[in-house]
Amino acid sequence: EAGVAQSPRYKIIEKRQSVAFWCNPISGHATLYWYQQILGQGPKLLIQFQNNGVVDDSQLPKDRFSAERLKGVDSTLKIQPAKLEDSAVYLCASGTSENEQFFGPGTRLTVL
Amino acid sequence: GQNIDQPTEMTATEGAIVQINCTYQTSGFNGLFWYQQHAGEAPTFLSYNVLDGLEEKGRFSSFLSRSKGYSYLLLKELQMKDSASYLCAVRDFMEYGNKLVFGAGTILRVKS
Repeated sequence: EAGVAQSPRYKIIEKRQSVAFWCNPISGHATLYWYQQILGQGPKLLIQFQNNGVVDDSQLPKDRFSAERLKGVDSTLKIQPAKLEDSAVYLCASGTSENEQFFGPGTRLTVL
Repeated sequence: GQNIDQPTEMTATEGAIVQINCTYQTSGFNGLFWYQQHAGEAPTFLSYNVLDGLEEKGRFSSFLSRSKGYSYLLLKELQMKDSASYLCAVRDFMEYGNKLVFGAGTILRVKS
């Protein structure tokens, strides 16, 4: 079974630039999550989708972050414009039930 | 809100037993997870507890006491490959469903 796919794996940008990350969840998984993990911290939920609808985006900085999952399958997360403090690993996860989330390899973002 | 505490770092010797503690405060507790995360990699699922008691899975066991807001992860017969960060995560029941909140993680260093 293929796992959660993410791209790119690494991205370096300058502050005020824009960046987009892509996630393809495990086939059949209705729930998709985007997490931000800053070095030395645990993952923090940014947004949770159930199929193509948003169920929780309470911790998403909506002035600069946006995410979509138009067809209920893959998803994109965008940052526009990026700030230095956005440097982190962005993890995508998917699941079918509430009991387990499967994580992708993550995208490591460095903002200079 | 939620609050999850776990030690920042621990060191143990190969072949030994180590216990990683996690205390939590949450309004709608609906399960506790332990994840393992090697440096530069995504978290991988280790265990899940929703009822009080001990869950054993090979060299790994996880314990939960809901009345005390306390869990621990027990690793036996430590191997060098067990050097990683161990994340405690609490599933909090929300209006729309469940939300997973992660602690900062405990970095375990296994020495020979």
